[in-house]
Amino acid sequence: AQKITQTQPGMFVQEKEAVTLDCTYDTSDPSYGLFWYKQPSSGEMIFLIYQGSYDQQNATEGRYSLNFQKARKSANLVISASQLGDSAMYFCAMRGRGAQKLVFGQGTRLTINP
Amino acid sequence: DADVTQTPRNRITKTGKRIMLECSQTKGHDRMYWYRQDPGLGLRLIYYSFDVKDINKGEISDGYSVSRQAQAKFSLSLESAIPNQTALYFCATSDSTTRENQPQHFGDGTRLSIL
Repeated sequence: AQKITQTQPGMFVQEKEAVTLDCTYDTSDPSYGLFWYKQPSSGEMIFLIYQGSYDQQNATEGRYSLNFQKARKSANLVISASQLGDSAMYFCAMRGRGAQKLVFGQGTRLTINP
Repeated sequence: DADVTQTPRNRITKTGKRIMLECSQTKGHDRMYWYRQDPGLGLRLIYYSFDVKDINKGEISDGYSVSRQAQAKFSLSLESAIPNQTALYFCATSDSTTRENQPQHFGDGTRLSIL
């Protein structure tokens, strides 16, 4: 079975600072994918970034990067130069090869203070 | 226009009523999913479908049914709604591949309240 753990229920960060959102996972699949989604207060789920278990380099997408440490089974999301619009819930999720669903963590609520 | 459209966006109804939530997509994806989001529990899979003739139960299918009317349409029904089905419901789609790198694309969600 796959499991995602996000240990930070809430984070408060000053605008323009970098922030790291933690995600650890557990799986027996040799091949898997890790995803981060953003959910603003309006409720929609926005796909941010993907990391494959066999990728040699950490994924980056604009201000988002993923600190992937396979041996530690962690896939932390790093947001550089945070903005007020980054305030939202953030979910880490994973999918194993051939798996039919995404397994989600409980989420971290990020608040950016001006 | 959104690629994945859910209707209604909000619904308040009474215990015992039959409710249908609808989802349509223009992404051309074969796979469609229904999730439920409760506070503190993340998203949990209710049902999923790989094509019109393929329907599968997820982890919390009791009390729900689905219909895949066409490749682009996937509806979720609550036959007799109960208060603990109050939640935010998401429809999602993905490409027809077993590769693990395919993200799922979500609709904007339906907020359902059952009194």
